[in-house]
Amino acid sequence: DAGVTQSPTHLIKTRGQQVTLRCSPKSGHDTVSWYQQALGQGPQFIFQYYEEEERQRGNFPDRFSGHQFPNYSSELNVNALLLGDSALYLCASREVTNYGYTFGSGTRLTVV
Amino acid sequence: KQEVTQIPAALSVPEGENLVLNCSFTDSAIYNLQWFRQDPGKGLTSLLLIQSSQREQTSGRLNASLDKSSGRSTLYIAASQPGDSATYLCAVEANSKLTFGKGITLSVRP
Repeated sequence: DAGVTQSPTHLIKTRGQQVTLRCSPKSGHDTVSWYQQALGQGPQFIFQYYEEEERQRGNFPDRFSGHQFPNYSSELNVNALLLGDSALYLCASREVTNYGYTFGSGTRLTVV
Repeated sequence: KQEVTQIPAALSVPEGENLVLNCSFTDSAIYNLQWFRQDPGKGLTSLLLIQSSQREQTSGRLNASLDKSSGRSTLYIAASQPGDSATYLCAVEANSKLTFGKGITLSVRP
């Protein structure tokens, strides 16, 4: 049973560019969340998608946007990249409340 | 605003030692508490989930407890092994989001 799958695993972008990260949730999971983890820090909540709508959003600027597709997969888009956007981006999914989250292996984004 | 604290930031112990990792949080209105393990440069692996109505959960050599009223959780690791070396993160859930501590980096010496 495949867990949460994220692509790509690594990415290098230039400041000012745009990037799209992808996530396929674990089979049977319909809720997808995105987190940003800077080096040496705990992950920070970006937003959560359920039924193709953004349900909750953390303290991130509008440059961060997302989408959820009918098959529950999700994309995270970041526009006008800054050096400070360099981080590990983690996707998490779960089936229903009362169950824990399953995380993917992450996408390492480096902005130069 | 929920804040999660894990102290110390790093811990080094000899193999075979039993150890306790602590986690504290400021707002007791949580839905779940989850402990994760993270190996360097990797994603998060869920270790234990404690629902708000529960007091503890066990899996193998791991036991986690939750005291909502005092805003504390502990992760107990029995008979530690070098393979347990990793960063351990505590996260509390409220309003559909997880709030994480910075983690405790554990090194188990052979």
